[in-house]
Amino acid sequence: KAGVTQTPRYLIKTRGQQVTLSCSPISGHRSVSWYQQTPGQGLQFLFEYFSETQRNKGNFPGRFSGRQFSNSRSEMNVSTLELGDSALYLCASSLALTGGLNTDTQYFGPGTRLTVL
Amino acid sequence: GNSVTQMEGPVTLSEEAFLTINCTYTATGYPSLFWYVQYPGEGLQLLLKATKADDKGSNKGFEATYRKETTSFHLEKGSVQVSDSAVYFCALSDRDQTGANNLFFGTGTRLTVIP
Repeated sequence: KAGVTQTPRYLIKTRGQQVTLSCSPISGHRSVSWYQQTPGQGLQFLFEYFSETQRNKGNFPGRFSGRQFSNSRSEMNVSTLELGDSALYLCASSLALTGGLNTDTQYFGPGTRLTVL
Repeated sequence: GNSVTQMEGPVTLSEEAFLTINCTYTATGYPSLFWYVQYPGEGLQLLLKATKADDKGSNKGFEATYRKETTSFHLEKGSVQVSDSAVYFCALSDRDQTGANNLFFGTGTRLTVIP
């Protein structure tokens, strides 16, 4: 089974631009989560989507948004880029099992490294 | 709330040395616990997990036991190799009212193994 794929792997943008990152989950996985990783802040949760609905959101400004399509693929968008948005953006997918013990596991993609100049 | 406290790095060991990376957690519910590993330039890979108290997760010679009484999930390996050099993240997963699985990460511990 193919793993989580993210495109593009690398991006260079300038301040004020916007960017869209894409994530394809493992086949059959219904939940997609996004994380930002920086040396200073570590791994921070951005948002989680399930059945095309955002179920949870981290503490990020409204410039960060996302969506999920009917095939569970997800995109995240960052508008009006700032230097501080330079980071590795990681996507993770999970089956999103319901009920019983919380045995769900998130599997990560390789990430998209965004550099804002 | 939920949080994970992880041993500060970096950790430098000689090949075949014993490894322990400490991890403790705070959780409101009944979390699952994970160790992820990140090799240079890559995303996170699941190393092992445990979903309930006293479970032991193991993979590639690494082990960790879910200890509810000490709220700990320490990572151990009996004999490290140069190829184990990476950053290790402890994490917990808790399900909120919406059913969403939220992952809370520690700060990561960089391990360097020298020949």
